[in-house]
Amino acid sequence: DVKVTQSSRYLVKRTGEKVFLECVQDMDHENMFWYRQDPGLGLRLIYFSYDVKMKEKGDIPEGYSVSREKKERFSLILESASTNQTSMYLCASSSHLGEQVSYEQYFGPGTRLTVT
Amino acid sequence: AQTVTQSQPEMSVQEAETVTLSCTYDTSENNYYLFWYKQPPSRQMILVIRQEAYKQQNATENRFSVNFQKAAKSFSLKISDSQLGDTAMYFCAFMKHGVYNTGTASKLTFGTGTRLQVTL
Repeated sequence: DVKVTQSSRYLVKRTGEKVFLECVQDMDHENMFWYRQDPGLGLRLIYFSYDVKMKEKGDIPEGYSVSREKKERFSLILESASTNQTSMYLCASSSHLGEQVSYEQYFGPGTRLTVT
Repeated sequence: AQTVTQSQPEMSVQEAETVTLSCTYDTSENNYYLFWYKQPPSRQMILVIRQEAYKQQNATENRFSVNFQKAAKSFSLKISDSQLGDTAMYFCAFMKHGVYNTGTASKLTFGTGTRLQVTL
C-alpha cells in the first residue's frame, strides 16, 4: 500500500515564524503535491513537483515555497507565517505510467496549522 | 482553466437508501479524467472512483457508480445501499490528460465538496 506521511497532525505557530511542513512517500512516486483545504473552498493547489529539484506553482503559491531534494520528500515552507495561512495542509503523491500521466493521487493525513 | 462545481454543500441519506451527489465542470479539453474522492472525518482522503472522458461507459465500483454526461459536462456520483461508513466529505476532481514531463498535466482541480451524512 502507498503510504504518505506528514510530519505533524497539529501545529501551532506564531505570526512571523518560519514554518516547515514535511511530507514523505514510500512508493517511489515522481509527482508530489501540496494543497490547502478550507471550508467552502475545497482543496487548492499550492505547489507541486514532478521530479527531484523540479517544482511548479499551483493556484495559490503566494507566501509559500517548497523544496524537493530527495524523491521521497517534499517540504512546504512558510517563510513568515501569517494568520491567513491558518488551514489544513494536505500532501499527495502520484506516479506516471510511461509517457502517460497517472491519475490517482494518494493523500497524507493532513496537518492542521494554526497561526496566532 | 478548468472549474469544478459541486452545488450541494451538505446532504443527508438514511442507511440502505440511495443518494446522488452532483458535479459539473467546465473545460475546453477533450481528453481528461474525472474523480470522486472521499474524506471521512479525521481520516485520509481516498479515491472512490474515476472516469476517463473517452470512455462512454459509466464507471462503477461496488456500490458506487457515476453518471457521466460529457456533452453536459456533468459527473454525478450515486451511492447505493448507503452505509454509516459512507459518512464523509466527497470531492469531485478534474485532471487533464497529458504527458508526464509537461508538469502541469498531473494537476487536479477540485470542487468545494459535499458533506454527506448517513443516518440510521
